[in-house]
Amino acid sequence: AQRVTQPEKLLSVFKGAPVELKCNYSYSGSPELFWYVQYSRQRLQLLLRHISRESIKGFTADLNKGETSFHLKKPFAQEEDSAMYYCAPSFMYSGGGADGLTFGKGTHLIIQP
Amino acid sequence: DTEVTQTPKHLVMGMTNKKSLKCEQHMGHRAMYWYKQKAKKPPELMFVYSYEKLSINESVPSRFSPECPNSSLLNLHLHALQPEDSALYLCASSQPPGYNNSPLHFGNGTRLTVT
Repeated sequence: AQRVTQPEKLLSVFKGAPVELKCNYSYSGSPELFWYVQYSRQRLQLLLRHISRESIKGFTADLNKGETSFHLKKPFAQEEDSAMYYCAPSFMYSGGGADGLTFGKGTHLIIQP
Repeated sequence: DTEVTQTPKHLVMGMTNKKSLKCEQHMGHRAMYWYKQKAKKPPELMFVYSYEKLSINESVPSRFSPECPNSSLLNLHLHALQPEDSALYLCASSQPPGYNNSPLHFGNGTRLTVT
């Protein structure tokens, strides 16, 4: 099955340090990928999507087709960024099956004061 | 209204009980989903409804029975559950799968405990 991979289960950085959460994908062609975030006691929500090229809460994610990656980055981490982060493909891009609704295993980001 | 609303927030049930989880959205989305999430794990897809018809069932045991009465509502009927079914059950909605690569909008979930 085609999928996304998040190699880091846990990432701990100090406040003010740069953050990079890794996501690699195994799909061919031009993928449409999302980053979702789940703060403690809050609903899982969309953080950003590749196609919009937005910067949300200071986070950006660039699609690198050569490395088949869609890493999430932020230059200066803040304590409120502590959360679970999930990378996921779009349903349509992955062929319309359940693979397109399958999340990466997630990275728990902890920002230390 | 840009939210997905799930009720109840918490549910404790015995293994012989019958209960239902409810989900509602008024964003005009025509696809709705049930996910199961264990602690510190990613959500796992259970069911997908597209235009009120069941389109994906991820080999979920029959003790979980989904129902989509109309385009705004999604239910999950529970019967004869096992303790290992205890988890956070998430409902989500989106434009129909295949429509502009629409992201998922999630509810807050129902925290289910089976005793």
